[in-house]
Amino acid sequence: SQTIHQWPATLVQPVGSPLSLECTVEGTSNPNLYWYRQAAGRGLQLLFYSVGIGQISSEVPQNLSASRPQDRQFILSSKKLLLSDSGFYLCAWSRHTYYGYTFGSGTRLTVV
Amino acid sequence: TQLLEQSPQFLSIQEGENLTVYCNSSSVFSSLQWYRQEPGEGPVLLVTVVTGGEVKKLKRLTFQFGDARKDSSLHITAAQPGDTGLYLCAGVSVHSGYALNFGKGTSLLVTP
Repeated sequence: SQTIHQWPATLVQPVGSPLSLECTVEGTSNPNLYWYRQAAGRGLQLLFYSVGIGQISSEVPQNLSASRPQDRQFILSSKKLLLSDSGFYLCAWSRHTYYGYTFGSGTRLTVV
Repeated sequence: TQLLEQSPQFLSIQEGENLTVYCNSSSVFSSLQWYRQEPGEGPVLLVTVVTGGEVKKLKRLTFQFGDARKDSSLHITAAQPGDTGLYLCAGVSVHSGYALNFGKGTSLLVTP
């Protein structure tokens, strides 16, 4: 069966510090991978998605970036965090968008 | 662009009551999904509907896809405290590309 791992679960970082969130998928190959951000328990904002190794599509201009160094690994990064980067970050994978996503358990990021 | 509008935004009911939440759009969707999210966790896929007029049942939950594939509803019969959570609808449309468009969600609280 397929599983998705996302870590860390919580993170408190000072403004201006770097960020690296990691997400890995097991039990499948060539998944579509996604990073979303959720503010205040509400709707999900798509940040990045990837349909293959090294291929990244960005949906929102910001100081975040994403990389996919391996087929089942998706990394969200920032060189310098802003207060506005605080939120709940979710990684997800799908075989095909048509059938829905499987989400990771999320990372609660607080920038102080 | 917010393609999916969910209503109501908040709903507080007592155990045993029935409720319906709605997901509406001016866009046609080839596929529409419902997710439930508990605090501090990632959303979990409940159902995918793909055919106009389709009705799917999941125990006490009934999902309906509009005939024109622009709207959907979720009806819960005899709500229980375990139904508490954020209910999100998400759709695949010509605007989606490889990613889902999510509504902002309906936050449901069921009290004993």
